[in-house]
Amino acid sequence: DAGVTQSPTHLIKTRGQQVTLRCSPKSGHDTVSWYQQALGQGPQFIFQYYEEEERQRGNFPDRFSGHQFPNYSSELNVNALLLGDSALYLCASSLIQRGENIQYFGAGTRLSVL
Amino acid sequence: AQKVTQAQTEISVVEKEDVTLDCVYETRDTTYYLFWYKQPPSGELVFLIRRNSFDEQNEISGRYSWNFQKSTSSFNFTITASQVVDSAVYFCALSDRGDNQGGKLIFGQGTELSVKP
Repeated sequence: DAGVTQSPTHLIKTRGQQVTLRCSPKSGHDTVSWYQQALGQGPQFIFQYYEEEERQRGNFPDRFSGHQFPNYSSELNVNALLLGDSALYLCASSLIQRGENIQYFGAGTRLSVL
Repeated sequence: AQKVTQAQTEISVVEKEDVTLDCVYETRDTTYYLFWYKQPPSGELVFLIRRNSFDEQNEISGRYSWNFQKSTSSFNFTITASQVVDSAVYFCALSDRGDNQGGKLIFGQGTELSVKP
């Protein structure tokens, strides 16, 4: 039973570029949440997707957008990258339909913006 | 506002010592969920435990135990007879929803535990 998988593992971009990160949820899960974790900090919630719609959003600018596909996988897009966007981006999946609010995390994508 | 505070930034112990990681939370909700996660150097957050605010019974799982006290808004985590493999960053988190329908997790700053042989 595969857990949450994220790709790529590492990414280096320059300021102003755009990036797309991908996440496949744990088998059977229907909800995907994205978090940003700066070095030495706790993860910060970006947004959550359920039934292909953004269900909840944290305090992040519109440069951060996402999408959920019919197979429940998800993408996180960040436009006009800033140096401050350098962080570990974590994806988590859960199963809302069964009232399971435990979020299971992937290993993350480490984004470096130069 | 909801908030989680882990006052201990770093803890260093010698193998076989017991260690307690503190977590204090703030919420106005009467029902809520609390979590502990472990983050080894690989980066993946590993789920350890979930506790509902209605259930104040303390829990023991092997060398791990959790002490939940609503009166002091604390949810502390103890590792008994620590091992080198316990070295990681540990996060306490609060769900912003009092039901079981998901919602975002609000994390503390984390406590980095180093267990030396």
